[in-house]
Amino acid sequence: QQQVKQSPQSLIVQKGGISIINCAYENTAFDYFPWYQQFPGKGPALLIAIRPDVSEKKEGRFTISFNKSAKQFSLHIMDSQPGDSATYFCAATSGNQFYFGTGTSLTVIP
Amino acid sequence: GAVVSQHPSWVICKSGTSVKIECRSLDFQATTMFWYRQFPKQSLMLMATSNEGSKATYEQGVEKDKFLINHASLTLSTLTVTSAHPEDSSFYICSARHPSGGRVNEQFFGPGTRLTVL
Repeated sequence: QQQVKQSPQSLIVQKGGISIINCAYENTAFDYFPWYQQFPGKGPALLIAIRPDVSEKKEGRFTISFNKSAKQFSLHIMDSQPGDSATYFCAATSGNQFYFGTGTSLTVIP
Repeated sequence: GAVVSQHPSWVICKSGTSVKIECRSLDFQATTMFWYRQFPKQSLMLMATSNEGSKATYEQGVEKDKFLINHASLTLSTLTVTSAHPEDSSFYICSARHPSGGRVNEQFFGPGTRLTVL
């Protein structure tokens, strides 16, 4: 059973556009929701994270929107750049339980 | 801070040999480390949870006798792939849990190790 569902699987965005990746979860015990960015041949790097008591968190061009009642959260990348082209994973965690989404391959075209 | 390293970054070995991968937390102590396996264009698959000073907890379907995990210190965990076969070829990634207080325990990932078994 997939604990965290992520969509879309792939995304192509023009430079300067907004990239939006969505995730949904079922387990209300999850209390921490990080997003990771992974470049080919590298390990995932923590990008931004949110706790369920906050509806939005912004760090630079990256924003997480969190809807606790709908059990959904999303990553928005504003002013997307070619250097943002990577695979993005959402995750949900509670204690040692850590579940990744299936990943979204983002391509930002110049 | 919160840097995790892995060594080696890339290893090629012959079928039947054993390979050891090291995971180190460089600037913090990690009581818990995790080992993941990732196939091309797929998500990370948790293999096992490694606790310092105790036996690792393996996920269902992961052979504990094939993937030996040792977490001998608060900064080092090792994964040994024993009698490796071509189907073990994969990208292996470790992570270390950073105790950041409260209920939140962030995980920081190593750069990964590419294993190719000929």
